[in-house]
Amino acid sequence: AQTVTQSQPEMSVQEAETVTLSCTYDTSESDYYLFWYKQPPSRQMILVIRQEAYKQQNATENRFSVNFQKAAKSFSLKISDSQLGDAAMYFCALEGNTPLVFGKGTRLSVIA
Amino acid sequence: DAEITQSPRHKITETGRQVTLACHQTWNHNNMFWYRQDLGHGLRLIHYSYGVQDTNKGEVSDGYSVSRSNTEDLPLTLESAASSQTSVYFCASRETETTDTQYFGPGTRLTVL
Repeated sequence: AQTVTQSQPEMSVQEAETVTLSCTYDTSESDYYLFWYKQPPSRQMILVIRQEAYKQQNATENRFSVNFQKAAKSFSLKISDSQLGDAAMYFCALEGNTPLVFGKGTRLSVIA
Repeated sequence: DAEITQSPRHKITETGRQVTLACHQTWNHNNMFWYRQDLGHGLRLIHYSYGVQDTNKGEVSDGYSVSRSNTEDLPLTLESAASSQTSVYFCASRETETTDTQYFGPGTRLTVL
C-alpha cells in the first residue's frame, strides 16, 4: 500500500521569507510520481509542482521548488519569497500503479 | 474553454435517501476520479474510471457507486445516504497518463441529516 505523511498540520511564515513543508511517503514501486497541490479557501485544488521519481533533478516552478530524496522517501516543498496569496492548505500526493494518495495536508499561514 | 463542473454545489439530504452527484468534463479526458475530503483526512479516493464502461473501487468505496456510459460524465451515487457520508466531494479528470495533470472540479458539499 502507498502512504503519504505530512507531519506538520500547521505552519506559518513571514511575508517575503522562505518556508519548507515536509512530506514523507512509502511505496514499493520503483516508478511513481509525486505532487504538491494547493487548496486556497475557495476549495479549488491547484497543482503546484510535480516530480517524476526517475528524475534525479529536483523540480522547480518559479518560487516553488522541491527537495526530493528518493532513498529517504522524502519530498519537501520550499516556497521562497512567500506572498499573502500563498496562504492555503498544501497537500502532498503520490501516484504509482494506483491513483493519487494524498497526505492529510499542512495549513500555511502567511504573516504580513 | 474546456472545464470540469460538478452539480449541485451544495446538497442537504436525509439519512436513507439516494443521492447522485454529477461530474461533467469537456476535455474528452479518459480518466476520471471521485474523492471525498474530510477534516483531518485530506482527500481519499472513492472510485475511478479509465474509460467508458470501466470503473474501479478506491480506498473508501463502501456505500458509493459510479457508472461511465460516456467520456464526459462520471456520476457518483450514494445508494442510501448515511451521516458518515457528510463531506466535500471532488471530481477530477486527466487525459490518460499519470504524467498528465489531474484537473479538479470545484467540489460539492453534501450534508446528510
